[in-house]
Amino acid sequence: EVQLVESGGGLVGPGGSLRLSCAASGFTFSTYNMNWFRQAPGKGLEWVSSIFSSTGYITYADSVRGRFTISRDNAKNSLYLQMNSLRAEDTAVYYCARDRLGYSYSDYWGQGTLVTVSS
Amino acid sequence: DIQMTQSPSTLSASVGDRVTITCRASQSISSWLAWYQQKPGKAPKVLISKASTLESGVPSRVSGSGSGTEFTLTISSLQPDDLATYYCQQYNSYPYTFGQGTKLEIK
Repeated sequence: EVQLVESGGGLVGPGGSLRLSCAASGFTFSTYNMNWFRQAPGKGLEWVSSIFSSTGYITYADSVRGRFTISRDNAKNSLYLQMNSLRAEDTAVYYCARDRLGYSYSDYWGQGTLVTVSS
Repeated sequence: DIQMTQSPSTLSASVGDRVTITCRASQSISSWLAWYQQKPGKAPKVLISKASTLESGVPSRVSGSGSGTEFTLTISSLQPDDLATYYCQQYNSYPYTFGQGTKLEIK
């Protein structure tokens, strides 16, 4: 069974940092492109960042570029999101998601972890 | 960036009704569109990929159609379990973008 479990969320002050983790199981993690999405309270879904499996290609939304860093450790079956210079508008539930093999849409999502940026 | 516009924002219908949600892209995305269902407090679940391909395990009363800039999600006979918010997402090009969502309410 495919499982994605996020952790690392919490309350942080403006300008602070957090590192989110996503533990993957039930599939060959190293062969899949992975993503982070987020959803602000009561709002819609927003794509944040993607990292490809084979090329290591990385891309970010303009809203987080230069502040967030996506990475993966295939040996640990884990995806990460390092978030620096956090702002109130980064407050959201953050989801990790797996792209279907050979496609660019996400077929499995984790349950999400809440990040709250507030003083 | 490609803008995705969904309508309506809210839809109230009765069990057994046929409901249709529309999604429009600001430029052609071919058929690179997915539909997601999100129930309160839960992660999104993909229903449809490539505009009209039903994902495994999704009831056959759900269908998708369209290409280019105009897409629709149809539920042929609404069931209580369909209470959720539905999002379209284009994956033609980065940044991937979503519609604002359609909240489906059961009368």
